[in-house]
Amino acid sequence: DAKTTQPNSMESNEEEPVHLPCNHSTISGTDYIHWYRQLPSQGPEYVIHGLTSNVNNRMASLAIAEDRKSSTLILHRATLRDAAVYYCILSRNYGGSQGNLIFGKGTKLSVKP
Amino acid sequence: DTGVSQDPRHKITKRGQNVTFRCDPISEHNRLYWYRQTLGQGPEFLTYFQNEAQLEKSRLLSDRFSAERPKGSFSTLEIQRTEQGDSAMYLCASSLARGFSEKLFFGSGTQLSVL
Repeated sequence: DAKTTQPNSMESNEEEPVHLPCNHSTISGTDYIHWYRQLPSQGPEYVIHGLTSNVNNRMASLAIAEDRKSSTLILHRATLRDAAVYYCILSRNYGGSQGNLIFGKGTKLSVKP
Repeated sequence: DTGVSQDPRHKITKRGQNVTFRCDPISEHNRLYWYRQTLGQGPEFLTYFQNEAQLEKSRLLSDRFSAERPKGSFSTLEIQRTEQGDSAMYLCASSLARGFSEKLFFGSGTQLSVL
């Protein structure tokens, strides 16, 4: 399975943009890039996913490099509630399911007031 | 709120006892997943169901673990003869598979402590 590499931790100031990087140099053409986040004492929460084009939703934006070997999750204005572990995950159709997600250790984001 | 619910939230048991956890997915979701998470690590896939059929099992799922999803609704995960190494957060997730795009919704998990 293709692997992702993320920094262990990052810090941000409240109300500033945050760019969370992810490297996935062994990505294949059918791999989707997913981002989930996990707040303390909660299960993971879906943030965004994409295949080739940049994606935007109400939570974040996903910028995917042209060669797809890296991507960046962008939080436009960090709030204290965004402090969490952010996981970048590749998934492919396996038996029709993309839900067999291989989580790494993720990036722990701290947000300072 | 009609999210994924898991019961109990916490379970403390003695080594050798059997435990059972329940997961109620979002009602219209056809896929249900079980994951396990230990402290400081990301969640690890255990198994998944499409409706009532269990379609995939991880090698992490030893013979002491069994999961069911009768009638394609709620699911149970049973661990027999628990060991201290089974101590972890057990997470359930559900999804409504549409084409090639799948988004998982996770519950808050059941924290198991084996003494």
